[in-house]
Amino acid sequence: DADVTQTPRNRITKTGKRIMLECSQTKGHDRMYWYRQDPGLGLQLIYYSFDVKDINKGEISDGYSVSRQAQAKFSLSLESAIPNQTALYFCATSAGMGQPQHFGDGTRLSIL
Amino acid sequence: QKEVEQNSGPLSVPEGAIASLNCTYSDRGSQSFFWYRQYSGKSPELIMFIYSNGDKEDGRFTAQLNKASQYVSLLIRDSQPSDSATYLCAVNQGAQKLVFGQGTRLTINP
Repeated sequence: DADVTQTPRNRITKTGKRIMLECSQTKGHDRMYWYRQDPGLGLQLIYYSFDVKDINKGEISDGYSVSRQAQAKFSLSLESAIPNQTALYFCATSAGMGQPQHFGDGTRLSIL
Repeated sequence: QKEVEQNSGPLSVPEGAIASLNCTYSDRGSQSFFWYRQYSGKSPELIMFIYSNGDKEDGRFTAQLNKASQYVSLLIRDSQPSDSATYLCAVNQGAQKLVFGQGTRLTINP
């Protein structure tokens, strides 16, 4: 089983819809991250969390919100999806400062 | 200046040769450096990390770090077609997060 699991793997939806992407992990890591990747571009940080009570905005948080339901679960929501949010979304975890991040398989999101 | 810069490529290398990938960073306080490999449509996969100046070898991969010059590089020896991918350099920013470069697309030609 994957250590970092993202659901759904693919999603097609319409403009204006609310969407939730979910991430769960079995690595026991405290730190969790949400990234967005557009074709030919690097990873842009949306939100990150160091524990259940600690949520921080990344560089592109506008239009997104998150919830850290438990140490193992971190979900990303698009309250009212727009076409330019079409992208590949990755969840990642890390054990702490200076430690590498481990990625889930990603969610391919298309907004029509 | 971008925080982490990589040549986007594509970098084309013959099979069996050495592929050299470079990355420069702007934050002199950075302490942790990572190389990820990403196949098209897949998630980034950690292949190397380095914390100290000098070289670190793992199989066919060698990471090189020069903090004075603020660059980190990845060498891939005996390149194989399966090494064809995009390679992402990541550098810590303070205690909180990693900053990723845009990646270098590497193609190994049989």
